[in-house]
Amino acid sequence: GAVVSQHPSRVICKSGTSVKIECRSLDFQATTMFWYRQFPKQSLMLMATSNEGSKATYEQGVEKDKFLINHASLTLSTLTVTSAHPEDSSFYICSARETGGPEDEQYFGPGTRLTVT
Amino acid sequence: GENVEQHPSTLSVQEGDSAVIKCTYSDSASNYFPWYKQELGKRPQLIIDIRSNVGEKKDQRIAVTLNKTAKHFSLHITETQPEDSAVYFCAAGKTGFQKLVFGTGTRLLVSP
Repeated sequence: GAVVSQHPSRVICKSGTSVKIECRSLDFQATTMFWYRQFPKQSLMLMATSNEGSKATYEQGVEKDKFLINHASLTLSTLTVTSAHPEDSSFYICSARETGGPEDEQYFGPGTRLTVT
Repeated sequence: GENVEQHPSTLSVQEGDSAVIKCTYSDSASNYFPWYKQELGKRPQLIIDIRSNVGEKKDQRIAVTLNKTAKHFSLHITETQPEDSAVYFCAAGKTGFQKLVFGTGTRLLVSP
């Protein structure tokens, strides 16, 4: 149980284009999902907290107009990187908290490796 | 906000030895401390966690200790095996606030 998927697993896009990453909770409902970014050999940095039916909460320094988050259902959150640039190349990982489950536990997706050329 | 420091950044041990990774946190209100193992290009996997109402927790070869007064917690792996080689992250969170702050990671290499 508690499986989280991400799509795509890898994506290459050209500078200036936008790319959408999906995060799905497969066997549970997730009112809250989290989006992280991980640069090579670095830690996971929280970008934003995604809440179903409401606006996402962004961490300090993360541009909300560049990283658009939509959490339209209890099993799906999307992250759109708009006008991507090479410095946006990173490993993007989502996690989900099960609605009504243990408050602290998060289940991670497999990650999406974004390369911007 | 919360700040989590983790040491060492790399750790090399021989198979069968013990490995200890230490983390400190800054926010005394933090009460949830998970440890994750991440293999290259894969998702972080929860290996053990501890809440602030206990001082130690053990699961087979893995144990975690927590010192609330000093605001530090440690991961102990005994009888290490080559398959334990990975990057380990500690994290700190607060019940009700949900988000986790991660440490900088420790690359563990277990040599046969």
